[in-house]
Amino acid sequence: EVRLLESGGDLVQPGGSLRLSCAASGFTFNYFAMSWVRQAPGKGLEWVSRVAGSSGNTDYADTVKGRFTVSRDNSKNTLYLEMNSLRTEDTAVYYCAKMRGATREVWYMDVWGKGTTVTVSS
Amino acid sequence: QSVLTQPPSVSGAPGQRVTISCTGGSSNIGANSDVHWYQQLPGTAPKVLIYGNNNRPSGVPDRFSGSKSGTSGSLAITGLQAEDEADYYCQSYDSSLSQWVFGGGTKLTVL
Repeated sequence: EVRLLESGGDLVQPGGSLRLSCAASGFTFNYFAMSWVRQAPGKGLEWVSRVAGSSGNTDYADTVKGRFTVSRDNSKNTLYLEMNSLRTEDTAVYYCAKMRGATREVWYMDVWGKGTTVTVSS
Repeated sequence: QSVLTQPPSVSGAPGQRVTISCTGGSSNIGANSDVHWYQQLPGTAPKVLIYGNNNRPSGVPDRFSGSKSGTSGSLAITGLQAEDEADYYCQSYDSSLSQWVFGGGTKLTVL
């Protein structure tokens, strides 16, 4: 069974840092790109970042570029999101998602984790 | 404001048919990027409902169907059931932004 399990969410002060993890199982992890998607309380989904399966190529939403860093350790089947200079508007449930497709134009998220909650507040 | 525009809410009685639109532009849906649809039941993570404009993953009932035309995509649900009450999101890729984008979401209420 394909599973994704996020961890690392916490309450953090504005300007602080946090690292999220996503443990993957049930599929060949390094074959697939992975994304982080977040959902602020009562709001819709927002794509945050993507990392390629083996090349390490990354993409970021403009709202987090320069503050967040996505990475992966294929030997541990784990995805990470390093979040710095956190703002109150970063408060959200953060989901990791496995991506599927041949090109950027067709990629979609076929498996999602249950999410981990990040709260940025003083 | 989302790059992809969805109606905030739709509703229908059990057994009826409803559609949810997803309007994009020339840099995403109109640029040949696929439209995908996700269902998010209350308190749960999203799950893919339709991928590649009109494909259903195994396990998704054939009451759900998708289509794409020009700069818009559409999700249709026939034979509406109480368990379909959820939030629905469309997603595509925007080549100008070099980012994956979601619609703002549509809340479906089964009357």
